[in-house]
Amino acid sequence: ELKVEQNPLFLSMQEGKNYTIYCNYSTTSDRLYWYRQDPGKSLESLFVLLSNGAVKQEGRLMASLDTKARLSTLHITAAVHDLSATYFCAVDQLHYGGATNKLIFGTGTLLAVQP
Amino acid sequence: DGGITQSPKYLFRKEGQNVTLSCEQNLNHDAMYWYRQDPGQGLRLIYYSQIVNDFQKGDIAEGYSVSREKKESFPLTVTSAQKNPTAFYLCASSIQAFGTQYFGPGTRLTVL
Repeated sequence: ELKVEQNPLFLSMQEGKNYTIYCNYSTTSDRLYWYRQDPGKSLESLFVLLSNGAVKQEGRLMASLDTKARLSTLHITAAVHDLSATYFCAVDQLHYGGATNKLIFGTGTLLAVQP
Repeated sequence: DGGITQSPKYLFRKEGQNVTLSCEQNLNHDAMYWYRQDPGQGLRLIYYSQIVNDFQKGDIAEGYSVSREKKESFPLTVTSAQKNPTAFYLCASSIQAFGTQYFGPGTRLTVL
């Protein structure tokens, strides 16, 4: 059974600082998504990572995937208050090695960027 | 504008009632999904559908039912058999069965 763990669960950081959110998963997959959720709102797609070594960047956020370590990271560079939100990773459950698009979500990382 | 709409935004249910949550998309996406989110937790898959007139159970299907009679619509019924239905319900769609899932605005269901 695929399990997805994120850490930290809560992250308070100052503006201008760098930090990394980690997403570990328990069984083989090569398809991972990062989403952002603002309080009381829906999920916004940030990145999709489809192969080992994949790296995607958008603004101050950069995501990477290491399928051998079953680890994805979301790196925040020079944080600003607008990045305050909850960030989820989601991993595709494979079936006989093929993608299913049945996603298992992590519990989320609540990011609070302080001025 | 293309997108996913969900209605109502807020829904209150009395114990023993069935309620239906609406999800409509005009993105011409083939696949649609229903998730449940409880406070402080990630999303859990209830049902999904890859084509019209076909759907599969997700990880927590008990007490829920769905239909997919049209490509653009995927309503979710929360039945009285669902013992703890209070949650935030999110509908999503993807262009194909293996594409990025895009989410609607959600319906917040509260049992009175």
